Amino acid sequence: NAGVTQTPKFQVLKTGQSMTLQCAQDMNHEYMSWYRQDPGMGLRLIHYSVGAGITDQGEVPNGYNVSRSTTEDFPLRLLSAAPSQTSVYFCASSGTGGGYTFGSGTRLTVV
Amino acid sequence: AQTVTQSQPEMSVQEAETVTLSCTYDTSESNYYLFWYKQPPSRQMILVIRQEAYKQQNATENRFSVNFQKAAKSFSLKISDSQLGDTAMYFCASTNNNAGNMLTFGGGTRLMVKP
Repeated sequence: NAGVTQTPKFQVLKTGQSMTLQCAQDMNHEYMSWYRQDPGMGLRLIHYSVGAGITDQGEVPNGYNVSRSTTEDFPLRLLSAAPSQTSVYFCASSGTGGGYTFGSGTRLTVV
Repeated sequence: AQTVTQSQPEMSVQEAETVTLSCTYDTSESNYYLFWYKQPPSRQMILVIRQEAYKQQNATENRFSVNFQKAAKSFSLKISDSQLGDTAMYFCASTNNNAGNMLTFGGGTRLMVKP
């Protein structure tokens, strides 16, 4: 099925560990973004990309890296996990005109 | 920068009745889009309805419709004939083409539909 695929769905990390959250879309969308959702809050933008080879920071970029080597893939890297990064992470993609399609989310716990 | 505000943290409605969720936004852009997303307990983000700012006609999708007041920067969602499956968090969001289509979200409204 067409859409946005995020892996893993759940992850537990120890403080200081690194990991990569994977995101892939098969809709040939130009725009891709990563958001985090903390309890009782809306989603906040971490990083975004307007096309292959182009990325930029969002509202809460510290502690995260991204790259966009292909149109389809937009991985999010946690460099050194901290308890403050415990959250639910969503990847999303969009063509022109808005209307993002979201992945199913990754629940990350940092202990 | 864009901001989106949802002033109702929680709401409830009886099954089959109508409920309206409020949203206000602030933007300096002339070209932007507004959205309502539904997040059920499964946590999947589902697009409910979208509105293009340059269109005066209010968007409608089956039982969901919006009241878009551009001058007042208001974008409310009306759910008619509420169903138990409408129970979810609802997020209002805005974006503009000049900002990489980034979405700015409100804090959400938790809607409970009661039988």
